[in-house]
Amino acid sequence: DGGITQSPKYLFRKEGQNVTLSCEQNLNHDAMYWYRQDPGQGLRLIYYSQIVNDFQKGDIAEGYSVSREKKESFPLTVTSAQKNPTAFYLCASSQLQATLGANVLTFGAGSRLTVL
Amino acid sequence: AQSVAQPEDQVNVAEGNPLTVKCTYSVSGNPYLFWYVQYPNRGLQFLLKYITGDNLVKGSYGFEAEFNKSQTSFHLKKPSALVSDSALYFCAVRGPLEAGSYQLTFGKGTKLSVIP
Repeated sequence: DGGITQSPKYLFRKEGQNVTLSCEQNLNHDAMYWYRQDPGQGLRLIYYSQIVNDFQKGDIAEGYSVSREKKESFPLTVTSAQKNPTAFYLCASSQLQATLGANVLTFGAGSRLTVL
Repeated sequence: AQSVAQPEDQVNVAEGNPLTVKCTYSVSGNPYLFWYVQYPNRGLQFLLKYITGDNLVKGSYGFEAEFNKSQTSFHLKKPSALVSDSALYFCAVRGPLEAGSYQLTFGKGTKLSVIP
């Protein structure tokens, strides 16, 4: 079945450590996204990528980094510069931005990061 | 700038009764409107979208939404609620591509509880 796989599902990190969240899709989607979800705040866009080796900052990119070396993969690194990293992180993918299929996002099951 | 408001943090409805989850939006130009649903500790799932055409849009699981341009609203409805409809519902908006609007803006979510 096609879909998006995020790992790990749960992750604990000590302050000052970097951590990388994995996101893999087999939908042949060109665009991929990372969102952060906090209770009562909805989803906020961290980074997105429309093609391999290219990505753009979203609304809350500070303290995060991404790479897009393969179409199927879009890992997110939460760096020690992120001041409040405890959150639920969602990866998503979609068809190209400039198509009617854009914004019909397929989401992964999420990764819950807790900083101890 | 584009924005979405979901005025109710929580909606409670008895099983079998009709349900409405409210959404209003602000965007320059014609909007692209979406509803997504999230079950606990899961990613979001696409329910329905309005791009153009008929103001009443039908989606998955018996849900529908009505686009009202004059009231800038896109309320989600279902004639008869099921206990399994209990979840977190997100409205999202995007402006027209020609305005350079590519990303979705999500509302803060409305928790729907269907009471047996």
